[in-house]
Amino acid sequence: GAVVSQHPSRVICKSGTSVKIECRSLDFQATTMFWYRQFPKKSLMLMATSNEGSKATYEQGVEKDKFLINHASLTLSTLTVTSAHPEDSSFYICSARDILAVFSYEQYFGPGTRLTVT
Amino acid sequence: KQEVTQIPAALSVPEGENLVLNCSFTDSAIYNLQWFRQDPGKGLTSLLLIQSSQREQTSGRLNASLDKSSGRSTLYIAASQPGDSATYLCAVQLTTDSWGKFQFGAGTQVVVTP
Repeated sequence: GAVVSQHPSRVICKSGTSVKIECRSLDFQATTMFWYRQFPKKSLMLMATSNEGSKATYEQGVEKDKFLINHASLTLSTLTVTSAHPEDSSFYICSARDILAVFSYEQYFGPGTRLTVT
Repeated sequence: KQEVTQIPAALSVPEGENLVLNCSFTDSAIYNLQWFRQDPGKGLTSLLLIQSSQREQTSGRLNASLDKSSGRSTLYIAASQPGDSATYLCAVQLTTDSWGKFQFGAGTQVVVTP
């Protein structure tokens, strides 16, 4: 089946620094990728929709300048948390929609990245 | 605005009992409904995907039904096992969203005791 990877799986950074999380589709091409955030014991909240070659579409309440999303190729999207603070600590999960899944909308989820800001 | 609700929030059953997990959504204009499993600290594992034109899907001990008109889906897990302990999430994709983003429920945390 289709596989989506995320790197790193865990990251600890100091307050004020920036951290980049990668989301890759390993055996398929993805024109659209999604970034979700999950607080402890809470559900996943969509942060933004990332389309290859264009600017990401952010959900209401998500700071564009804080959560920078780049989708430079059909297999890679990156989320950069800029000037991270402890309240940004969370579990970040990406998903990717197969370029061939025009009618099914089927997506594949990455394993997630645990970000801890100290 | 679409709202997805899962009841109960937590469930504990002895091994061998059947599990019934409920999901309701307010906007019936859905394209797909999907059930996922999430183990602690891990990503999502897709269990079953039901397209809006379907009424149910089955895979092994799992059966999911969909009643779009009433805005409900139910996930049945037969003969539960301790390995079924996890959080189960339901999520919908709306026809009004061309990208296919998911809207998730808060999940049902399941514990199956030996």
